[in-house]
Amino acid sequence: NAGVTQTPKFRVLKTGQSMTLLCAQDMNHEYMYWYRQDPGMGLRLIHYSVGEGTTAKGEVPDGYNVSRLKKQNFLLGLESAAPSQTSVYFCASREAGGIYEQYFGPGTRLTVT
Amino acid sequence: EDKVVQSPLSLVVHEGDTVTLNCSYEVTNFRSLLWYKQEKKAPTFLFMLTSSGIEKKSGRLSSILDKKELFSILNITATQTGDSAIYLCAVDDWTQGGSEKLVFGKGMKLTVNP
Repeated sequence: NAGVTQTPKFRVLKTGQSMTLLCAQDMNHEYMYWYRQDPGMGLRLIHYSVGEGTTAKGEVPDGYNVSRLKKQNFLLGLESAAPSQTSVYFCASREAGGIYEQYFGPGTRLTVT
Repeated sequence: EDKVVQSPLSLVVHEGDTVTLNCSYEVTNFRSLLWYKQEKKAPTFLFMLTSSGIEKKSGRLSSILDKKELFSILNITATQTGDSAIYLCAVDDWTQGGSEKLVFGKGMKLTVNP
């Protein structure tokens, strides 16, 4: 099992450019999450999904969109990148229906200049 | 507003010392509290606590939850340089039929010097 994987690992964007981050999990988990981590801020939830075809906003959703067309994939899009979106992005997944821990991907380091 | 507060935010110790990390919380619908360790990359799961007073142990690490006073502690005895990491506390804030999400504290950076 690869667990949770993220693509790409690093990216540099110019202000106004767009990009999509891909998260994939092979554990058949229902729930998937996107977080950003900034120095001194811990992990903050951007968007999440409780099943294929569903998405919901987290704590800091502005400037991001997501899609969950397949159960194993969760995409995070930045339509017009801003320097404030410079961060490390983590994807996570977990089982549904009970109390379970979240499994995290290795992260994507994004710099917007 | 839901809140998870960790203290201290950073700590430097010598190998062999014992450390105690604190996590207090205020969330609407508490279901569980989780501890993660984050070295260079992804957070890795340490413990999940759901009941008060029951200690979870794994080697030199242990953790306990107090649901009345709304806090948890993570203890690390006989620290080693490999314990150097950021330790994250998170609370599962759950509403039936609604969102299922973790609320994270800011993390505590532990540095263990040889």
